[in-house]
Amino acid sequence: AQSVTQLDSQVPVFEEAPVELRCNYSSSVSVYLFWYVQYPNQGLQLLLKYLSGSTLVKGINGFEAEFNKSQTSFHLRKPSVHISDTAEYFCAGKVLSDSGNTGKLIFGQGTTLQVKP
Amino acid sequence: NAGVTQTPKFRILKIGQSMTLQCTQDMNHNYMYWYRQDPGMGLKLIYYSVGAGITDKGEVPNGYNVSRSTTEDFPLRLELAAPSQTSVYFCASSHTRTGLNTEAFFGQGTRLTVV
Repeated sequence: AQSVTQLDSQVPVFEEAPVELRCNYSSSVSVYLFWYVQYPNQGLQLLLKYLSGSTLVKGINGFEAEFNKSQTSFHLRKPSVHISDTAEYFCAGKVLSDSGNTGKLIFGQGTTLQVKP
Repeated sequence: NAGVTQTPKFRILKIGQSMTLQCTQDMNHNYMYWYRQDPGMGLKLIYYSVGAGITDKGEVPNGYNVSRSTTEDFPLRLELAAPSQTSVYFCASSHTRTGLNTEAFFGQGTRLTVV
């Protein structure tokens, strides 16, 4: 089955603490993987993407993610969070077919990051 | 530089009414998508299109129709609105060709309430 799974629905963390948001993808999802952020009442904004190359990907606002093919994971990390990082975060991936990348883009369920003072 | 534009931003429909959510992009992207977002459910793909004249079903297509007559436009049609279609709808586009895959760019969303 095609799926992108975010393992935590909510992650509470104190300001300046490190955080990891977990994402796993199924084998029918390609290695084109993305993390998006959504602030309240806004659209989705790209944080970072993995298409190929180095497995450690750096994005905006100090976020980074590591692609792990053997564990089919693409976890998002930040070493020190700010109050302004409070938002919903979505992991997404493009679906493969027998002939390659379909371009179909599916999302995980989302993780709400709550940064407390 | 408009990107992806959705209209309207808000709409209230009565059960059984129909409406079209408009989406247009000015980036010459070949792929376009419609998603719905419900609390705790993430974004579910309704329909997508790989180019003008070509559309395909996503994860939750029932109750919706789409068309793609031009590269720029990808309207979503609700024929008989039901309360279960109350949601926030997002349109997105991306450029996908062999060796070149961009991320999806999103519109600001349409908040639809069916009463």
